[in-house]
Amino acid sequence: GDSVTQMEGPVTLSEEAFLTINCTYTATGYPSLFWYVQYPGEGLQLLLKATKADDKGSNKGFEATYRKETTSFHLEKGSVQVSDSAVYFCALPNSGGSNYKLTFGKGTLLTVNP
Amino acid sequence: DTGVSQNPRHKITKRGQNVTFRCDPISEHNRLYWYRQTLGQGPEFLTYFQNEAQLEKSRLLSDRFSAERPKGSFSTLEIQRTEQGDSAMYLCASNPGSGAYNEQFFGPGTRLTVL
Repeated sequence: GDSVTQMEGPVTLSEEAFLTINCTYTATGYPSLFWYVQYPGEGLQLLLKATKADDKGSNKGFEATYRKETTSFHLEKGSVQVSDSAVYFCALPNSGGSNYKLTFGKGTLLTVNP
Repeated sequence: DTGVSQNPRHKITKRGQNVTFRCDPISEHNRLYWYRQTLGQGPEFLTYFQNEAQLEKSRLLSDRFSAERPKGSFSTLEIQRTEQGDSAMYLCASNPGSGAYNEQFFGPGTRLTVL
């Protein structure tokens, strides 16, 4: 079945450091790919998405490129801020049927120190 | 606020009790999902509604769990005879449907603690 493997956390960085969170997936075909973020005490919210191979999703300084050759969708940010501290989830929708339930990675906790 | 809302936000109960959670999706979203998230894990799919029809249930949804969406608007998730292993965050999400690229909009979740 479909699966998502994320880099194990936690990740601790200083402000303005470069961030990479790795995500690889296994799926039938070429599904859309998502990064969701969960700030402390809040629900998940979509950070960015890519709907086809070679697409680059971007939002709030974060970027991720859909690489079908390596089945990857790594999240990057050039200069993190304290406010980026959160849990980040890579996800893909079910590739069979029409319900498009999401399969999530385990999440990566990011802590950014001033 | 027109986002997805969930009530209660926190629930503490004793083992063996029944609990019910409510989710109000974004209006006019015909698809509604329930997920369960345990500590250190990503959300796991429980069940899915399209309008009032429950179209899929995960194997995680034992017979102690039941979900309804009677008028195709809000949904309830009931857990009967709760067990300590049911302690988790229960998340609800909705989307307007059609298309795998449609994001799901999540509520803040209900955190259940079973003592």
